[in-house]
Order: sequence, then structure tokens, then C-alpha cells
Amino acid sequence: EVQLVESGGGLVQPGGSLRLSCAASGFIFNNHAMSWVRQAPGKGLECVSAITGSGGSTYDADSVKGRFTISRDNSKNTVYLQMNSLRAEDTAVYYCARTTWAGQVPDFMDVWGKGTTVTVSS
Amino acid sequence: EIVLTQPPGTLSLSPGERATLSCRASQSFSNYLAWYQQKPGQALRLLIYGASSRATGIPDRFSGSGSGTDFTLTISRLEPEDFAVYYCQQYGGSPLTFGGGTKVEIK
Repeated sequence: EVQLVESGGGLVQPGGSLRLSCAASGFIFNNHAMSWVRQAPGKGLECVSAITGSGGSTYDADSVKGRFTISRDNSKNTVYLQMNSLRAEDTAVYYCARTTWAGQVPDFMDVWGKGTTVTVSS
Repeated sequence: EIVLTQPPGTLSLSPGERATLSCRASQSFSNYLAWYQQKPGQALRLLIYGASSRATGIPDRFSGSGSGTDFTLTISRLEPEDFAVYYCQQYGGSPLTFGGGTKVEIK
């Protein structure tokens, strides 16, 4: 069974840091790009970061550039999101998603995890 | 940035009825459009990619159409499990963007 399980969310103060992890199983991990998509309370979806299967290319939304870093460890079937200089507006559920990436930017997400909640508040 | 608009915000329908969901783009991007379903407490599910291709395991009552700036997701006959929120997403330009979603609720 194809599965993605996120972890690492929690409560953090503004300006703080957090690292999210997403453990993948049931498919050949390094054959697939991966993304982090967030959903603020009562809001829509935003793809914040993505990474190709090899890790050689990444994509970041302007809202997180210079603050968030996506990475992956293909030996552990895990993708990470290092989040620094967190702001109140980063409060959201963060979803990990298996992603198709054929061109210069990611395409669509065909498998999703259930998400981990990040709350930025003092 | 390509802005996607999904009117109306809520669609009230009965089981067995046909649902027609709209996704309108601020600029044209061919057929690089996906549709997703979101239910409370569950992982999002990819329904349609390439505007009209059904994802693996998606029932044929779900269909997608359109190109350019106007796209449609049709659910031919609503089943009880289809009441959910639906999002469109474009991947024809950077940044990737999603629509605000349409909630399909039981009338």
C-alpha cells in the first residue's frame, strides 16, 4: 500500500524553527518527486516546496523562499521540510504529497499524507 | 501568477443529481489542470489530471473537461461519499496555484 506519514508538527514561537518529516512506503521513493503543500485554517491549498526524485532540483513558493528548505534522504525514504524564521502566517496543516514533475516546475500530486499541524504563536 | 476561481463556493445537491463544478483561470495554460477531493480527516485524493484524465481508481462518474481558461469537473450521479470539497490546481505556470475550492453539500 502506498503511504505517506508526516511528523514533526507542533507549537513554535514566531522566529523559531521546526523540521517536518514525511516517511514514504509502498513505492520506489527515488523515482518520484515530492512536495509539501499547506493549508491555513479555513483557507485553500498552497504548494510551498517540492524536490525531484534525485534531489537535484527544488521548487519554493515566494512566501517561503530563504526560510524553508526541502531535502530528502532516499536511503530512508523520507523527505524533510526545514522551516526557519517562522511567522504567524505559516500556521497551517502541512501535507506531504508524491508529485509528478515532467518540466521545469512540479505538476500534480497523486498521493497525499494526512498532514501535520504547525502552529506559530507566542 | 495564474489565479484560479471556483464559483460557487458551495453547491447544494441531492444524491443522484449531477454536479457541475467550475474552475476559471486568469490566463490560459492549455490543459495542465488537476482536480482533487478533500474530506475531513482524510488524505486529499487526486481525481483528474491533464484536465480530463482520470487518476487510478477513480470511478467513471467523475469526468473533467475544458482547456485554456475554463475547466469543469462533472460528477454524473452524486453518491453519498462524494459530498466533499473539491479543488482545482494548475501546473501550466509558476507558481503552482490552487483554486479556493467548492464544497458540495447535501441538500
